[in-house]
Amino acid sequence: GAGVSQSPRYKVTKRGQDVALRCDPISGHVSLYWYRQALGQGPEFLTYFNYEAQQDKSGLPNDRFSAERPEGSISTLTIQRTEQRDSAMYRCASSQGQVNSGNTIYFGEGSWLTVV
Amino acid sequence: GEDVEQSLFLSVREGDSSVINCTYTDSSSTYLYWYKQEPGAGLQLLTYIFSNMDMKQDQRLTVLLNKKDKHLSLRIADTQTGDSAIYFCAEAYSSASKIIFGSGTRLSIRP
Repeated sequence: GAGVSQSPRYKVTKRGQDVALRCDPISGHVSLYWYRQALGQGPEFLTYFNYEAQQDKSGLPNDRFSAERPEGSISTLTIQRTEQRDSAMYRCASSQGQVNSGNTIYFGEGSWLTVV
Repeated sequence: GEDVEQSLFLSVREGDSSVINCTYTDSSSTYLYWYKQEPGAGLQLLTYIFSNMDMKQDQRLTVLLNKKDKHLSLRIADTQTGDSAIYFCAEAYSSASKIIFGSGTRLSIRP
């Protein structure tokens, strides 16, 4: 597609429920990233995929958070048993290749998650 | 450790130059970036600089990199009301394919 597409744009869920956030990267982009941005903060790295391989998940806060990209394109970030502290903007980004080789990351509009 | 630091706020008069500063910790950073975030909008890449450069100019934007001091700055000439936004500094590591962001500097413009 023309840009990184995320859905849903807004999600309100009750504490304890599971949520799944979807990311559709730019066509042909092999690298995909998930970031979380709380109000008044900068984006915080969560995880990174190269094709379908999850190569870095060091930023996932705990084992309630998981991500997959089974066919190397669309990715899903899942948060189980949501807690109020999970409320934030979740941003997906993609790039043609690795950023440390000079490739630019393009961000989607984000998914606002509110846990009540 | 991974740390990118910026001052939280900057206020400048319309027409003046704005200078937003950033310090980072990873001396092996390959690329350093400036992103702009307007209210309710996504993250827009403004400009970036490769670590072997010390300056990059792009129209009203000038990026200065002092690698010895691990200091990056963004200068916006002739600041306009449309420049009001949060500006994020970010660095890409040589050892990992991810970029790390600072907390952002909120730029406000006085008439």
